Amino acid sequence: QVQLQESGPGLVKPSETLSLTCSVSGDSITGYYWSWIRQPPGKGLEWIGEIFSSGSTKYSPSLKSRVTISVDTSNNQMSLRLSSVTPADTALYYCVRHRERSFPDWGQGTLVTVSS
Amino acid sequence: QSALTQPPSASGSPGQSVTISCTGTSSDVGGVSWYQQHPGKAPKLMIYEVNKRPSGVPDRFSGSQSGNTASLTVSGLQAEDEADYYCSSNADYNNYVFGTGTMVTVL
Repeated sequence: QVQLQESGPGLVKPSETLSLTCSVSGDSITGYYWSWIRQPPGKGLEWIGEIFSSGSTKYSPSLKSRVTISVDTSNNQMSLRLSSVTPADTALYYCVRHRERSFPDWGQGTLVTVSS
Repeated sequence: QSALTQPPSASGSPGQSVTISCTGTSSDVGGVSWYQQHPGKAPKLMIYEVNKRPSGVPDRFSGSQSGNTASLTVSGLQAEDEADYYCSSNADYNNYVFGTGTMVTVL
């Protein structure tokens, strides 16, 4: 059973860069697609972007200019960087594994608040 | 690409059925999956590729699609089915779009 654990600062200042790491255990990160999905408090889900273990990426058109997703296969980790954050980026950020165009495996999520 | 449209709420009595729709433009709806989310919990995959159920999901949950509208039906409603439900589409194999979400209440 794969386990996904998000980690990173819970508070980020406006205009700064949000950085999160997803640590994968119970399975290899190799051979799978992985995504970051976020959910503002009390609101719906938003796909941020995906990465394959080879490093190829796709990003949401609405966030593409600010997002970088990377993978570290040696440490079985995936990372998210979101630049120039505003309070609208306050959300619960989930690390997710893909299968057949769906998301069967989710981390517990980590809350990131953007505030000065 | 805008979020797919779902009704904000749906309800039914125990044992009844409830159907949730997920509507986009003609090219927006493909590879649909459905997620159940209880308060304070991560979403759980209930249906993928329109009508396939992951192992462990009760067969009370079923999915379908007609044109640009996908649907999730929960038959034989149970108290534990009360949750938020989201659809997701990957029609172009590039981007994922979620629906606006539906709160299901078991009366």
